Amino acid sequence: GQQVMQIPQYQHVQEGEDFTTYCNSSTTLSNIQWYKQRPGGHPVFLIQLVKSGEVKKQKRLTFQFGEAKKNSSLHITATQTTDVGTYFCGTNFGNEKLTFGTGTRLTIIP
Amino acid sequence: DTAVSQTPKYLVTQMGNDKSIKCEQNLGHDTMYWYKQDSKKFLKIMFSYNNKELIINETVPNRFSPKSPDKAHLNLHINSLELGDSAVYFCASSQGGRNYGYTFGSGTRLTVV
Repeated sequence: GQQVMQIPQYQHVQEGEDFTTYCNSSTTLSNIQWYKQRPGGHPVFLIQLVKSGEVKKQKRLTFQFGEAKKNSSLHITATQTTDVGTYFCGTNFGNEKLTFGTGTRLTIIP
Repeated sequence: DTAVSQTPKYLVTQMGNDKSIKCEQNLGHDTMYWYKQDSKKFLKIMFSYNNKELIINETVPNRFSPKSPDKAHLNLHINSLELGDSAVYFCASSQGGRNYGYTFGSGTRLTVV
């Protein structure tokens, strides 16, 4: 079936360093959503991107949708311990179900 | 006020038993979902209902049966539980369509022993 690849699977960073996770698809995406799941918690919706080349910011988080709408990235500037968790991208592939990427687990070294 | 609430939060049961998980949302959303998250954190959709009608039914063993008595409730019944059913099950809801984020419940951690 259709899938979206997410890299890296794990990322360990020193507090204050930047972090980026990427989602890639072989097909053009209608949309991309990003979620954050804290350890032991549930996924929480962060944002949706739908336009080619779209860039959105939420404080230290920057979300991008590629020009070809086949990839997306989430960049966190100057990570803090509260950023710990697993970040998932998700897309509808033009249908009614949201298919998630494999997630990137971020740990912060204080 | 909890937007999407699931019960129970934890469920430990023996192989072969039948169990149910309940989900309720007070957001007025039309669409509800069940997702399974395995030990590797993969999130996979199982079912989706739109206004009580089943619209997504992934390749899930027929031991799993969802029921939606109204658009605010979506329950999951599992028959003859197997060890491989151990996972975290998340209920979610959305406004429907492809342009809305999902609101997830806090999850039910099912352990089959």
